[in-house]
Amino acid sequence: AQSVSQHNHHVILSEAASLELGCNYSYGGTVNLFWYVQYPGQHLQLLLKYFSGDPLVKGIKGFEAEFIKSKFSFNLRKPSVQWSDTAEYFCAVNTGGYNKLIFGAGTRLAVHP
Amino acid sequence: EPEVTQTPSHQVTQMGQEVILRCVPISNHLYFYWYRQILGQKVEFLVSFYNNEISEKSEIFDDQFSVERPDGSNFTLKIRSTKLEDSAMYFCASSTGADTQYFGPGTRLTVL
Repeated sequence: AQSVSQHNHHVILSEAASLELGCNYSYGGTVNLFWYVQYPGQHLQLLLKYFSGDPLVKGIKGFEAEFIKSKFSFNLRKPSVQWSDTAEYFCAVNTGGYNKLIFGAGTRLAVHP
Repeated sequence: EPEVTQTPSHQVTQMGQEVILRCVPISNHLYFYWYRQILGQKVEFLVSFYNNEISEKSEIFDDQFSVERPDGSNFTLKIRSTKLEDSAMYFCASSTGADTQYFGPGTRLTVL
């Protein structure tokens, strides 16, 4: 069965620190990969996605992620975080455009000013 | 920008009661989904719906659950006889089928 693992459940950073959140998935075939963010009191919003092509994808708010097929990974990065990045981050995969999403457990990020 | 909306934002019910959670997907989307997140746990898929029928459902989506698109805009999730373990945040999502799923703000269901 497909699964998604996020290695860090809680991350605490100071403003301007660099961020990398790990995501690994288990599935042998072609996948679509997503990072969603949930700001406090708000709904899940898409940060970025990978379907095909350049494995380095750029999303909103300065986030990027790199798909490494050999490692089944899709790690999220941001070179310099801001207090407003405090949120929960979810990695998700599906096996086709309309198929269900399989989510990781989420990573709570707290950024201190 | 079009958004998925959900009502109510919070529903409190007694165990054994029926609840209906409502969603209005984005208007040109064709695929609709329900997910749930029990406090402290992963977001879990419940059911997907296309062309007025269920296209996939998870083990969680048993006979107590049903979905319906009663008109051209609403998409509902019904839980016939709620249990304590149904307490969760329920998210509706929609997509064109070729791209991203867009999520609503969720309904927090509390079963007492």
